[in-house]
Amino acid sequence: QVQLQQSGPGLVKPSQTLSLTCAISGDSVSSGSAAWNWIRQSPSRGLEWLGRTYFRSKWFNDYAGSVKSRITINPDTSKNQFSLQLNSVTPEDTAVYYCARVDYSSDGYYFDYWGQGSLVTVSS
Amino acid sequence: DIQMTQSPSSLSASVGDRVTITCRASQSISSHLNWYQQKPGKAPKVLIYAASSLQSGVPSRFSGSGSGTDFTLTISSLQPEDFATYYCQQSYSTLWTFGQGTKVEIK
Repeated sequence: QVQLQQSGPGLVKPSQTLSLTCAISGDSVSSGSAAWNWIRQSPSRGLEWLGRTYFRSKWFNDYAGSVKSRITINPDTSKNQFSLQLNSVTPEDTAVYYCARVDYSSDGYYFDYWGQGSLVTVSS
Repeated sequence: DIQMTQSPSSLSASVGDRVTITCRASQSISSHLNWYQQKPGKAPKVLIYAASSLQSGVPSRFSGSGSGTDFTLTISSLQPEDFATYYCQQSYSTLWTFGQGTKVEIK
């Protein structure tokens, strides 16, 4: 059974960096058949996929165009986790942030396991 | 990016009703379409993947159909636990996108 446990501050000041971590149990961040994703949800933007990191002989990342200039997703193999950093945040980045897995060895490609969600508020 | 448009944005229905939600993609996505159910305060849960495959453990009253640009989620007989918000999501392109959601409320 895969479990994803999120952690990180719930309040970030404008122009600063939002940082969240997703700890994985029951799978490996280095799995050759999984991808590790960040998704956010707000009333104004709905569900928004932000990006993914995955290992296929080397590490790859894909990022949504809406945040591409500000986002970094990094794996941490020593702790079996991955992180989200979003720079230069504004109140528009206030949202519930989720981490989620995609298993590419299954019949379809979908988010099968999710973290518990983290409400991050951007405010001074 | 591929845009996903759901309709309606909300609906009211009674227990036992047949409910249909549609999702349209801005370009062909073959059958790379997933449906999720979300209840307040919880993460989304996958119901249907690859347009018509029922996720393990999901009741058979849920079904999906479609390919190309037009897709449908059907609940054959609405149950009290089905009142929730439903989202479609495409996994065709490298950059994945969701529909804006359909809230199913009690009539």
